[in-house]
Amino acid sequence: AQSVTQLGSHVSVSEGALVLLRCNYSSSVPPYLFWYVQYPNQGLQLLLKYTTGATLVKGINGFEAEFKKSETSFHLTKPSAHMSDAAEYFCAVSGGGYNKLIFGAGTRLAVHP
Amino acid sequence: SAVISQKPSRDICQRGTSLTIQCQVDSQVTMMFWYRQQPGQSLTLIATANQGSEATYESGFVIDKFPISRPNLTFSTLTVSNMSPEDSSIYLCSATLGLAGRGDEQFFGPGTRLTVL
Repeated sequence: AQSVTQLGSHVSVSEGALVLLRCNYSSSVPPYLFWYVQYPNQGLQLLLKYTTGATLVKGINGFEAEFKKSETSFHLTKPSAHMSDAAEYFCAVSGGGYNKLIFGAGTRLAVHP
Repeated sequence: SAVISQKPSRDICQRGTSLTIQCQVDSQVTMMFWYRQQPGQSLTLIATANQGSEATYESGFVIDKFPISRPNLTFSTLTVSNMSPEDSSIYLCSATLGLAGRGDEQFFGPGTRLTVL
């Protein structure tokens, strides 16, 4: 079975500061991992994903994430936060024989001037 | 990529009634998914809809409450039946292209915000 834990339901950073959103997973099969972003009143948009190969994955809008098997983690980072990054971020793992997604509880990122 | 639209975008309904939500994709897709996002919570998968077969429901969701249709490769509907205030949620449709492997991106619609009084 697969599960996802996101540490911190709310994260607040200053504009220009490092963004770090934490995600830990549990998976009975080699995990495929995703980060999605949800802006207010909108659907989810894929930021990045890890399937196989390079463990450092670069995504859109300057975000990246590193797959660490030994730590069962897939934390999302961005070196310098922008006001437009304020949104809800969801980590997800793909389970089973097809791409059924199991989502974490989400982290709401606030960026203040 | 795929662009997904949903109708209605929001609705306010009386308890005991039913609402059908439509999901339209701008290209042919293999698998479509329906999720529920309760206020302040994450997404929970309701069911997976493949064209030409019965939908597959997740634990805790039943066809009588959430009947789903998938008449073709670009369209699906979800009906929320005999609604109660506990059904107040955002309902999201998503879809994958290609062979729908585990690593394939899911594209999401904007959601339908349902309030049941």
